[in-house]
Order: sequence, then structure tokens, then C-alpha cells
Amino acid sequence: DIQMTQSPSSLSASVGDRVTITCQASQDISNYLNWYQQKPGKAPKLLIYDASNLETGVPSRFSGSGSGTDFTFTISSLQPEDIATYYCQQYDNLPPKFGPGTKVDIK
Amino acid sequence: EVQLVQSGAEVKKPGESLKISCKGSGYSFTSYWIGWVRQMPGKGLEWMGIIYPGDSDTRYSPSFQGQVTISADKSISTAYLQWSSLKASDTAMYYCARPSLAGQPYNWFDPWGQGTLVTVSS
Repeated sequence: DIQMTQSPSSLSASVGDRVTITCQASQDISNYLNWYQQKPGKAPKLLIYDASNLETGVPSRFSGSGSGTDFTFTISSLQPEDIATYYCQQYDNLPPKFGPGTKVDIK
Repeated sequence: EVQLVQSGAEVKKPGESLKISCKGSGYSFTSYWIGWVRQMPGKGLEWMGIIYPGDSDTRYSPSFQGQVTISADKSISTAYLQWSSLKASDTAMYYCARPSLAGQPYNWFDPWGQGTLVTVSS
């Protein structure tokens, strides 16, 4: 099984701050890496697919990069509505595992 | 609009059986796989398994193989997740989700159902 790690596990930032989350796979997964946002009490929502592709309708302040084992998710200017937990997910290897999540809140 | 609508919350006792559902609409139900994801209270997301309603090809995560059964009825565009004997540790929110690419089981999930909360308590 591929293991996925995310850091940090939680963060607190101010509105307008740049926020960066990293996701690391235990082996090369090429660019088969997605990012989801889950707001409290809601289903997850796809933000980024294949490491860097922004899903239609998702604000451009969200972005992703990376390949191989190391990936980065960035919110360029944190907004109050971005309070959520963010998960990476690999699908290169079965089962398609999610990372443990990063909880983002406002300072 | 592509949509997955799940059945309502359930409260069950240990040892009871349960089948929850996920109805797809707005797309060709038999052309896309549908997966199930577990989220235990306060925890992260776990990929459980996936089914292709077109031919009922089903694949399970090793962690869930033998613990649950995934099925589908293409005549009513509905996928199911069932347990034959629930345990307290099955208490969780369960989401269905559709891989975005037709005919491919492993890519990115979009859309997701709203979730079904299963509570197992004596």
C-alpha cells in the first residue's frame, strides 16, 4: 500500500494570507494526485485533479503542483469561506488512498 | 445536473443488517463506476470499494473486503452498500462518489452524494 502524509495537520492563518499544504506519497505516483475540500458537516468537494488541474468553477486562488512523491496545495489569499479540511488522494496504486487531512482555520 | 442522492440516516443495533443506497441522475448510470467512502467520527476519508453498474464488476479495498457488500441495480440507477452484521465500529458517515471519467474506476471523485450517517449502538 502507498502511504500518504500531509503537513501540517492543522494551521491557523489570517484572511489574505498565503496558505501552503504539502502531501507526500511513499512511492512515485506520477501526477495521479487530487485535492478535496471538506467543510464541516458537508461532503468533500473536488478542487484539483491530476496534481495541478483546477476543477471547473473552483476559484483561481486555489492551485496545486508537484509530481512523483511530493505535492503542494496553495491558497493564494485565504478567505473566510475556505475554512475546511483539505485532503489529498492518490490513485496511482490501489486502493486509492486519501491523506490524513489538513484542517485550516482563521486566526 | 449530475447528482448522487443517498438514503437517510440509520440507527441500528449490533448484529443487525443494513443496506444503504445511492441514486444517480443526470448521466448514464451504466457508463460510470460508483465508489463508497467511509468517514468515522472526527476522522479522515477511507476508500472502501467501487462498482461498475454496467456489468457489476466490483473491487474492494483490502481493509473492507469481506466486511461489506457493494451492489447496484441499473434498472433504477442505484448503488448499494450493505452489512450483514453491524458492529459498533461501523458507526460512520458513508459517502458515495462517482469517478469523473466514464468507464474508469480510478481517477478523481466528482460528484459526491450528501452522505448517510450510520449509527450502531445497543
